[in-house]
Amino acid sequence: DAGVTQSPTHLIKTRGQQVTLRCSPKSGHDTVSWYQQALGQGPQFIFQYYEEEERQRGNFPDRFSGHQFPNYSSELNVNALLLGDSALYLCASSWTGKNEKLFFGSGTQLSVL
Amino acid sequence: QQQVKQSPQSLIVQKGGISIINCAYENTAFDYFPWYQQFPGKGPALLIAIRPDVSEKKEGRFTISFNKSAKQFSLHIMDSQPGDSATYFCAASNYGFGNEKLTFGTGTRLTIIP
Repeated sequence: DAGVTQSPTHLIKTRGQQVTLRCSPKSGHDTVSWYQQALGQGPQFIFQYYEEEERQRGNFPDRFSGHQFPNYSSELNVNALLLGDSALYLCASSWTGKNEKLFFGSGTQLSVL
Repeated sequence: QQQVKQSPQSLIVQKGGISIINCAYENTAFDYFPWYQQFPGKGPALLIAIRPDVSEKKEGRFTISFNKSAKQFSLHIMDSQPGDSATYFCAASNYGFGNEKLTFGTGTRLTIIP
């Protein structure tokens, strides 16, 4: 049983570019949440997708957008990259019907130069 | 605005000792308090969690103590082992809205020395 898988594991972009990160949830999970973890900090909630719609959103600008597909996988898109967007981006999945554990992937390390 | 404050930032404990990490929260709507363990290059993994209807929860060597009136909770690791060396995060959320929107503390880097 595969856990949460994210791709790519590492990514280097330059300022102003756009990036797409991908996430496949743990088998049986229908909800995907995205977090940004800056170096030496705790993860910060970006948004959550359920039934292909954004259900909750944290304090992130509109440059951050997402999508959830019918198979529950998800993408995180960031436009007009800034140096401050350099971080580890974590995807977490859960099952809405069982309001308990969040399972995190190992993340995508994004470096913006 | 940081809603969950965590201390200490780093902690060194001798093997077999007790590791204690503390957190305080501000938002009284929070009613789910998990602790996560993160190893380098990995995502956080849930260690143990508590709801405010109990003051303590124990799972193996890990115990959460919860003080609702003080809005504080702590993680105790008994008989600390070198394999416990990791970064620990406390977190909080409003359980009624689902536990996915977690507010994390800033983390504690724990090192267990022989």
